Amino acid sequence: QQQVRQSPQSLTVWEGETAILNCSYENSAFDYFPWYQQFPGEGPALLISILSVSDKKEDGRFTIFFNKREKKLSLHIADSQPGDSATYFCAASANTGYQNFYFGKGTSLTVIP
Amino acid sequence: AQTIHQWPVAEIKAVGSPLSLGCTIKGKSSPNLYWYWQATGGTLQQLFYSITVGQVESVVQLNLSASRPKDDQFILSTEKLLLSHSGFYLCAWSLGGGSYEQYFGPGTRLTVL
Repeated sequence: QQQVRQSPQSLTVWEGETAILNCSYENSAFDYFPWYQQFPGEGPALLISILSVSDKKEDGRFTIFFNKREKKLSLHIADSQPGDSATYFCAASANTGYQNFYFGKGTSLTVIP
Repeated sequence: AQTIHQWPVAEIKAVGSPLSLGCTIKGKSSPNLYWYWQATGGTLQQLFYSITVGQVESVVQLNLSASRPKDDQFILSTEKLLLSHSGFYLCAWSLGGGSYEQYFGPGTRLTVL
């Protein structure tokens, strides 16, 4: 059973637009939700994360909106740039002393200049 | 600053041959260490984690084993490769003591023929 789901699978936006990437999860025990950015041939890089006690987290052009009741979150990338073209993974974990991360299948974002 | 190094960068191996992949973390004392596997174009699957030297826990069974011979070193190995072992292997680290963030290394690309 897929613990973390992402949509859409791929997304194309114009430069300057806001890209919206969606994520949902199954396990109510999940309390930490990081988003990773991955370029081809590289390891994922931690982009931004949120704890379940918050409903919003901002870091520059990147914002996470979190809805605990609906078990959904979204990553908004404002003023998208061609350099943002990458695959974005949503992950979730419960604080168990070590971090067992469950990853979604990713959203491939393309930003057209 | 913390640095994470993985070796080799890439490997091409024959089915049935042995494998050893390595990961070294510098600049952090007693980190939690993780091995992940990523199929081409796919999601990330956590394989192993280690909280301390000499102790490794398996998350999924993929005919692989892992060891932590030193505080800053994590090794992934198998005596007999399968075609299904092909993919991208990623090492990650986090602080102990309930810290949430995981940081990934650059990865090793494995092709099994």
